[in-house]
Amino acid sequence: GAGVSQSPSNKVTEKGKDVELRCDPISGHTALYWYRQRLGQGLEFLIYFQGNSAPDKSGLPSDRFSAERTGESVSTLTIQRTQQEDSAVYLCASSPGINYEQYFGPGTRLTVT
Amino acid sequence: AQKITQTQPGMFVQEKEAVTLDCTYDTSDQSYGLFWYKQPSSGEMIFLIYQGSYDEQNATEGRYSLNFQKARKSANLVISASQLGDSAMYFCAMREAEGDMRFGAGTRLTVKP
Repeated sequence: GAGVSQSPSNKVTEKGKDVELRCDPISGHTALYWYRQRLGQGLEFLIYFQGNSAPDKSGLPSDRFSAERTGESVSTLTIQRTQQEDSAVYLCASSPGINYEQYFGPGTRLTVT
Repeated sequence: AQKITQTQPGMFVQEKEAVTLDCTYDTSDQSYGLFWYKQPSSGEMIFLIYQGSYDEQNATEGRYSLNFQKARKSANLVISASQLGDSAMYFCAMREAEGDMRFGAGTRLTVKP
């Protein structure tokens, strides 16, 4: 079946612009995670959705970052007024629940010029 | 404070030998899960193995095994009979009771022919 998909695969934007990154999780997966991975570094947790519960936003680095999820489907991560330090690969993952492994998408490579 | 610590930025192993990648974690939760992921140069994140905090047996998946020492809060990954295709970044991660996932900084494994 289809895995986690993310779009766009690459995004180049000018400093100060807003960007929206999209994640389509595996159907039926109730949990959805967003991570940021800077070049050569590990994964930085951003936000987590589980079913209809309020999302865990504890990892969002600033108020320029926000995310939404429609039910148990698509999620969008929005970065407002992008800065050069936002340049990274943004990874989305979904899982059947919090006690299961996560399935990762291919990521969106964001470059802020 | 770091919740997941991987002290080996890089490791080398001879093909067909076994290698242990270290991971220690910090949590006050009684219920948590530990995960290992592999990230080849292509960038995809591949789930390898999972250990629950209440699991009494060490997890094994093919050539991968997890050496879980709860009292020491360590969850080392053992790869037996290394193959050239095992060369990649390896990340240890922990999910605590509230559901968010934290990743270590990773270990780059290079398998030498």
